[in-house]
Formats: sequence, C-alpha cells, structure tokens
Amino acid sequence: EVQLVESGGGLVQPGRSLRLSCAASGFTFDDYAMHWVRQAPGKGLEWVSGISWNSGSIGYADSVKGRFTISRDNAKNSLYLQMNSLRAEDTALYYCAKDSSSYPNDAFDIWGQGTMVTVSS
Amino acid sequence: QSVLTQPPSVSAAPGQKVTISCSGSSSNIGNNYVSWYQQLPGTAPKLLIYDNNKRPSGIPDRFSGSKSGTSATLGITGLQTGDEADYYCGTWDSSLRKVFGGGTKLTVL
Repeated sequence: EVQLVESGGGLVQPGRSLRLSCAASGFTFDDYAMHWVRQAPGKGLEWVSGISWNSGSIGYADSVKGRFTISRDNAKNSLYLQMNSLRAEDTALYYCAKDSSSYPNDAFDIWGQGTMVTVSS
Repeated sequence: QSVLTQPPSVSAAPGQKVTISCSGSSSNIGNNYVSWYQQLPGTAPKLLIYDNNKRPSGIPDRFSGSKSGTSATLGITGLQTGDEADYYCGTWDSSLRKVFGGGTKLTVL
C-alpha cells in the first residue's frame, strides 16, 4: 500500500524550532519529488516547499524562505522539514505529498494524513 | 489572498451537474498544467484531476477537467451527497512554486 506518514508536530513557542518527518512506503521513494503543504485551521492549502528526487532542485514559499529547510534521505525513504524561528502564523496541519514526477513540477498524487503544528506561548 | 481565484461555494441538487471555476494568469495557469484536489471533511486532500483533464485510476468519469487560456474548470455530474467536500485547483507559477486556489465548498442540497 502506498503510504505517507508524517510525525514531529506539536506545541512550540514562538521563535523555537521543530523538525517534521514523513515516512514513505509502497513506492520507489527516490524516483519522485516530494513536498510539504500546510493548511491553517479553517483555511485553504498552502504549498510550503518541494524537493526533487536527488535533492538537486529545492523551492520554498516566500512565507517560509530563510526559516524552513526541506531535505530527504532516500536510503531511509524519508522526507524532512526543519522549521526555525517559528511564528504564530505557521500554525497549521502540515501534509507530506508525493509529486507524480521526479522534479517538483507536477500534480501531487499521494498525501499523508498530516501532523499538526501549533505555535503559541 | 490566493493566487488562483475560485468561488467560495457552489451548490446543486443530487443528480445534477456543477462546475467550479479557477482563474489565474499567464504566469501560472496560462503556461502550466492544472490539477484538482478533493478534500472530504476531516481528511487529507486527494488528487482528482491532473494535466488539466486526466483522471487518476479509481476516479469516476463523473469528474472532468478542462482548461482554456488562463482559466480552468472542474465539472461534476450526477452529484451525490458523498461529493460534499472542498475542491482546490493547483498549478505552478513562473518561479516554480506550487500555487493553489482558495478552495470551493460544494454543498449537495
């Protein structure tokens, strides 16, 4: 079964850091680009970051650039998001999503169930 | 304010047809494929349409997509109560960032 399972969310104070993980199974992980997409409570989808199959192509939304870092470990079939200098507006459900292509430029055909990040003092 | 513009809500009776529009610009929809995602209440988004008008395996042909210029449309025929969900369009912009519409809430009356 093709599956993405996120972990690492939680309650964190403003200015602190958090690292999200996404474990992939059921497909050849290193053939595809991967992404993080977030959804604030009651709001729409916002793309956060994407990474190509070989980590050679990486992109970020302007809202997180310079604070968040995406990475992947193909040997461990895992995707990561290091989030620094967290702000209240980063509060959201963070989804891991698989691109249907090896570069981050196509549709997202598999989504995880998400991990909640709450930034509050 | 989303880069792509969708109506906040649409509604129709069971068995009827509904369309959801997605408006963008030449820097996004005009030069890239559009995909559509269905988000049932309390669940993760699911790919409904890719490459403007293609359906992934398992998606019924009641769902269709089209694109013209800088706009795209999702069509759903034979509406069912189980189709009640939020629908999002998505594409890529000229800076290679994924952009989504604000989402459309479908109510099946």
